[in-house]
Amino acid sequence: TQLLEQSPQFLSIQEGENLTVYCNSSSVFSSLQWYRQEPGEGPVLLVTVVTGGEVKKLKRLTFQFGDARKDSSLHITAAQPGDTGLYLCAAPPYNTDKLIFGTGTRLQVFP
Amino acid sequence: DTEVTQTPKHLVMGMTNKKSLKCEQHMGHRAMYWYKQKAKKPPELMFVYSYEKLSINESVPSRFSPECPNSSLLNLHLHALQPEDSALYLCASSQRGRTGFSSMNTEAFFGQGTRLTVV
Repeated sequence: TQLLEQSPQFLSIQEGENLTVYCNSSSVFSSLQWYRQEPGEGPVLLVTVVTGGEVKKLKRLTFQFGDARKDSSLHITAAQPGDTGLYLCAAPPYNTDKLIFGTGTRLQVFP
Repeated sequence: DTEVTQTPKHLVMGMTNKKSLKCEQHMGHRAMYWYKQKAKKPPELMFVYSYEKLSINESVPSRFSPECPNSSLLNLHLHALQPEDSALYLCASSQRGRTGFSSMNTEAFFGQGTRLTVV
């Protein structure tokens, strides 16, 4: 079973703080995606990382793919209440049609 | 059009009822997915269709029956469900299909989900 473990599970912070969410696996993936989900809605794709060591920025969000393509991180600078939501990493195991999700990190940003 | 549309948005059904969830996409995607999501948990994969053929069934009970009538539509037929089947059911699509497993076409687009309550 290929698992994607995220940490922390929950994060509750004040507006303006920085945070990092981690996504770890013992398996190698060809790519990894990050999604954000709000209550009652479907996940929305934020970014896809493909190359080991790759760094992508999306405004205040910085995504990194590990050199060995087994892990990834999401760093948010100066968090805002609008960043509140469930952050999910996801990856396609090799040679399958699956897309599996990580265990999720629930972020709450207070004004 | 980058939307995946799911209907209905909410559904309440009895344990003896038969109902169907519907999903539609017009992005030309050849892979479509059903996920089940319980409260405060990540989505769990149920089924994958690739080029309109069922390619993955994650040991889902037979009371859930998927159907892919054409490349744009995906249905999930429900029969004799249990209260523990109450959850958010999500449909998704991606370009990924039998053309290969390129990492560049695994990005999934999700519908808003159907909130199912079994009473």
